[in-house]
Amino acid sequence: QKEVEQDPGPLSVPEGAIVSLNCTYSNSAFQYFMWYRQYSRKGPELLMYTYSSGNKEDGRFTAQVDKSSKYISLFIRDSQPSDSATYLCAMSKDSGAGSYQLTFGKGTKLSVIP
Amino acid sequence: DTGVSQDPRHKITKRGQNVTFRCDPISEHNRLYWYRQTLGQGPEFLTYFQNEAQLEKSRLLSDRFSAERPKGSFSTLEIQRTEQGDSAMYLCASSTSPGRVTGNTIYFGEGSWLTVV
Repeated sequence: QKEVEQDPGPLSVPEGAIVSLNCTYSNSAFQYFMWYRQYSRKGPELLMYTYSSGNKEDGRFTAQVDKSSKYISLFIRDSQPSDSATYLCAMSKDSGAGSYQLTFGKGTKLSVIP
Repeated sequence: DTGVSQDPRHKITKRGQNVTFRCDPISEHNRLYWYRQTLGQGPEFLTYFQNEAQLEKSRLLSDRFSAERPKGSFSTLEIQRTEQGDSAMYLCASSTSPGRVTGNTIYFGEGSWLTVV
C-alpha cells in the first residue's frame, strides 16, 4: 500500500459545479497537507496549505483535513474551465527527515466542461 | 519573475550521453530540492540541500546522478550515461526553513523535460 492514495480520475464536471477531490494516507506522522495544481507540462503550483486537522478557505477553494480518518479533501466551488488541470495532494511530517520531503499522491485529472 | 527557474525546459538526448539541468531557486530560500515526475505519477523526491550542503539523497538517485549547490544559490543535476528509463520531468523546488505557521511550503519550478532516445 502506498503512503498516499489518490484516485487519478479523470473527473469531468460541467462549469459551475462543485468539485470534490480527496486523498487518503496511511502514515499518522504526516502533519502538513498541501494541494498543488498542475497544468499540462508545467510544474506544480501550490494552491492550499493546512497544518494538522481543520478547514481552510481561500476564495473558491476549501481544504479539509480529518486526521482521525487520515483523509484530506479539496473543494472547488463554481468551477471554471480554467480549473481544468491535475490536482496533486502532498503531505510531510513535522520533524526529522520527513519534514523536508513531500510525499505526493498520483494526482486527479479534472476537466471542467463549458 | 522571482519564482524558481529551471534550464533547459526541454532536452532530447541519445542514450549514453550526459545531461545537466540547472535550477535557480527563489532568492531568499535556503532549501533546495530535486524531484522527478513521470507520466501519470506524482513527483518523487530525489535530493535536498540546505544551503550548500546536500543532506539527503533518495535511493532513486543512482550513482549516475549527481547534484551540486556549490555556493548555496543555484544547483545543477547531472545525469551520466543516460538510459531510456531516465525520461521524465525533473523538478526543482525551494523553500525557507519550516516554521509552525508556514510549515514546509515548497515552491516548484516549471520543470525540465528529459527525453532519452
